[in-house]
Amino acid sequence: NAGVMQNPRHLVRRRGQEARLRCSPMKGHSHVYWYRQLPEEGLKFMVYLQKENIIDESGMPKERFSAEFPKEGPSILRIQQVVRGDSAAYFCASSPSGSSEQFFGPGTRLTVL
Amino acid sequence: GQQLNQSPQSMFIQEGEDVSMNCTSSSIFNTWLWYKQDPGEGPVLLIALYKAGELTSNGRLTAQFGITRKDSFLNISASIPSDVGIYFCAGQLSYGNEKLTFGTGTRLTIIP
Repeated sequence: NAGVMQNPRHLVRRRGQEARLRCSPMKGHSHVYWYRQLPEEGLKFMVYLQKENIIDESGMPKERFSAEFPKEGPSILRIQQVVRGDSAAYFCASSPSGSSEQFFGPGTRLTVL
Repeated sequence: GQQLNQSPQSMFIQEGEDVSMNCTSSSIFNTWLWYKQDPGEGPVLLIALYKAGELTSNGRLTAQFGITRKDSFLNISASIPSDVGIYFCAGQLSYGNEKLTFGTGTRLTIIP
């Protein structure tokens, strides 16, 4: 049973470009969460999605960031017009319905030049 | 927003020693989870706690859900080299599908 998959593992973008991060949840999991981790810090919640619905986006920056979890395909975290401060590790987690246990992917490390 | 403070921030121990770390919150959480993160990887779930006062073990790891619901503790017995990493606590306001609030982490290093 494959775990949470994220790609790419590493992404380099120049300031002003768009970054698109993908997450495929574990089989049977319909809840997806995105977190951001800066070096030497803990993970910070960004957004929680179910299929075709954003449930909680209280941690998402108001501008340039968006997320979706379509009916078919992976969840996508999109960052438009990236700036150096967006450089971080972005983690996706998934959980089955009714469970507090979240299982994390390996992360995407975004570097903005 | 809620903050979770972990202590100690880092630990340097010898192989075979027991380890204790804790996590405290400024507000109540009703679910606590403990994760371990290796360099360049995502956090791995170690233990989940759902009830105040609960004591749960997973091999050499034992975690407790504090009675006040504002703290949690993790103990590792007889440490081995693969225990090296960063340990994070995480809390949820209720049980079920909602966001996690993560602690600041405890970095464990084993001195040869």
